[in-house]
Amino acid sequence: DQQVKQNSPSLSVQEGRISILNCDYTNSMFDYFLWYKKYPAEGPTFLISISSIKDKNEDGRFTVFLNKSAKHLSLHIVPSQPGDSAVYFCAARISISSGSARQLTFGSGTQLTVLP
Amino acid sequence: GAVVSQHPSRVICKSGTSVKIECRSLDFQATTMFWYRQFPKQSLMLMATSNEGSKATYEQGVEKDKFLINHASLTLSTLTVTSAHPEDSSFYICSATHRQDHSNQPQHFGDGTRLSIL
Repeated sequence: DQQVKQNSPSLSVQEGRISILNCDYTNSMFDYFLWYKKYPAEGPTFLISISSIKDKNEDGRFTVFLNKSAKHLSLHIVPSQPGDSAVYFCAARISISSGSARQLTFGSGTQLTVLP
Repeated sequence: GAVVSQHPSRVICKSGTSVKIECRSLDFQATTMFWYRQFPKQSLMLMATSNEGSKATYEQGVEKDKFLINHASLTLSTLTVTSAHPEDSSFYICSATHRQDHSNQPQHFGDGTRLSIL
């Protein structure tokens, strides 16, 4: 049972345009969400996160939107750059105090290709 | 930012060999480290959670005798794949969280280890 889903395995956009990556989740206990970027043969790099008490968080070119009622979040990258080409994973967590609860549940990733 | 170092980055070895992978937090103390496995074009699957000074917690379906985890210090966790077979070939990634238990701390990942068993 996939609790975090990224239904688009790939996405191509032109340089300068907006990239929108989507993620859906099923577990209503998730209250903290993260986006990671991963290049081949490297570990994921943290990009941006959002707590369930917010519906938007912005950091430079990256904005994450959270729609709790729809159990949906999205990552917007604008303007997109060729260096943004990578696999993007969304992840979710239940934030309670015990150590095991800090584990992340990942989506299957979306390969973003930004065309020059 | 926080740095997690994972070593080795690539291992190629014969079937039956045991392989040890190290995960170090270089500039912070990590009470908890996580070990993931990723198959091609798939998500990162959590294998086990490693807490410093205590036994690791394994996810369902992960053999603890096959994947030995040791977290002897606040900066080092090791994963040993014992008697590795070709089906163990995969990309293994560790991550760590800071000692301070803030719920909004992101996990920091190592660069992963590509394990190929011949």
